[in-house]
Amino acid sequence: EVRLLESGGGQLQPGGSLRLSCVVSGISFSSYAMNWVRQAPGKGLEWVAVISGRGGSSYYGDSMKGRFIVSRDNFKDTLYLQMNELTAEDTAVYFCAKGGSYYEFGDPFDSWGQGVLVSVSS
Amino acid sequence: YVLTQAPSVSLAPGQTAEVTCVGDNIETKRVHWYQQKPGQAPILVLSDARHRPSGIPDRFSLSKSGDTATLTISRVEVEDEADYFCHVWHSSDDCGVFGGGTKLTV
Repeated sequence: EVRLLESGGGQLQPGGSLRLSCVVSGISFSSYAMNWVRQAPGKGLEWVAVISGRGGSSYYGDSMKGRFIVSRDNFKDTLYLQMNELTAEDTAVYFCAKGGSYYEFGDPFDSWGQGVLVSVSS
Repeated sequence: YVLTQAPSVSLAPGQTAEVTCVGDNIETKRVHWYQQKPGQAPILVLSDARHRPSGIPDRFSLSKSGDTATLTISRVEVEDEADYFCHVWHSSDDCGVFGGGTKLTV
């Protein structure tokens, strides 16, 4: 059974930084692209970022470029999201989601974590 | 790249629901559909990239034509009440895109 468990969320002030983690079990972690998706309160899903299986390629949503960094440690089966220069508009539940094999970014997200809340306010 | 979904659909049990997702030339893309119930993570219900996920009944089906992709739910049940999101990978810009979601009320 595939399991994804996010951590690292919390409440912080505008301009601050936070790093989210997602520990994955039940799969050969390095074989799959991994994604972050977020959902603001009462809103829809917004794709945040993807990283390839071996970590050599990554892409970001427009509002995240230059502020967020996605990375992974394939020895620890862990996905990360470093978030900088946070604003109130970044307030959301952040989900990690398993994608397709290696560089198959067009594959569906067939497993999701339960999400972690990030709240940015002064 | 923008995917547009109707905000809501409401119908009685036993009827057929059609949840649409409109995007430029979407029929050329692989479209995925997710179901999300309140307080829960989304789950994949259908994808035209692979076989039906386990546990998803065959009442769920998908189709695409031109600029519209459609998730059809036959003989809807109360348990189908949820938000449904479409999703594609837009390779021209190397980005994932979600539709705004459709709330299905049964």
